[in-house]
Amino acid sequence: NAGVTQTPKFRVLKTGQSMTLLCAQDMNHEYMYWYRQDPGMGLRLIHYSVGEGTTAKGEVPDGYNVSRLKKQNFLLGLESAAPSQTSVYFCASSYLTGGDQPQHFGDGTRLSIL
Amino acid sequence: QQQVKQSPQSLIVQKGGIPIINCAYENTAFDYFPWYQQFPGKGPALLIAIRPDVSEKKEGRFTISFNKSAKQFSLHIMDSQPGDSATYFCAASRGGSAGNNRKLIWGLGTSLAVNP
Repeated sequence: NAGVTQTPKFRVLKTGQSMTLLCAQDMNHEYMYWYRQDPGMGLRLIHYSVGEGTTAKGEVPDGYNVSRLKKQNFLLGLESAAPSQTSVYFCASSYLTGGDQPQHFGDGTRLSIL
Repeated sequence: QQQVKQSPQSLIVQKGGIPIINCAYENTAFDYFPWYQQFPGKGPALLIAIRPDVSEKKEGRFTISFNKSAKQFSLHIMDSQPGDSATYFCAASRGGSAGNNRKLIWGLGTSLAVNP
């Protein structure tokens, strides 16, 4: 039982490049989330999904797109990377209602945009 | 506007001390208050959570105190150990129709160092 797995763990991009971050969970959770974590800023919600085929915007969605084609996977895309998107990205999942059920986090993807 | 205000930003205590981390919220509709613990290089993990119908909850050395009238809650770590050194986040959420509004509102985090 791996829990929440994020790939890749590290990545360096040049401004303007695109990439996709993959999140996979094996707990059959309905809810999935993408956060970014920056020093002094805490965790900020980018996008989330309440089930397969559905996505919704979070607090800081600009510059990102997501897809949830399969229940166990939640993809975060950067179409044209910018230095302001340098951050640590965390994926999380939870069973049914996300607020009062524990969110299970992956170990993060450290992304640098040069 | 930060809906959940966490303090202090950082905290250093000696082994055996009792660090206290405080959080204040504004929205009286919040009805679930978890604390998450994050070690370097790892994602946050749920530590303990409380609902406003109780004033205190203990799990091992970790205690949440909740003051509904003051709209504040705090985390106490009894007999702190160097292994407790981590970043701690408070959060809050409120119920919504069909649970769709139950997103967590996070504090900015407290970096705790417990010296041996």
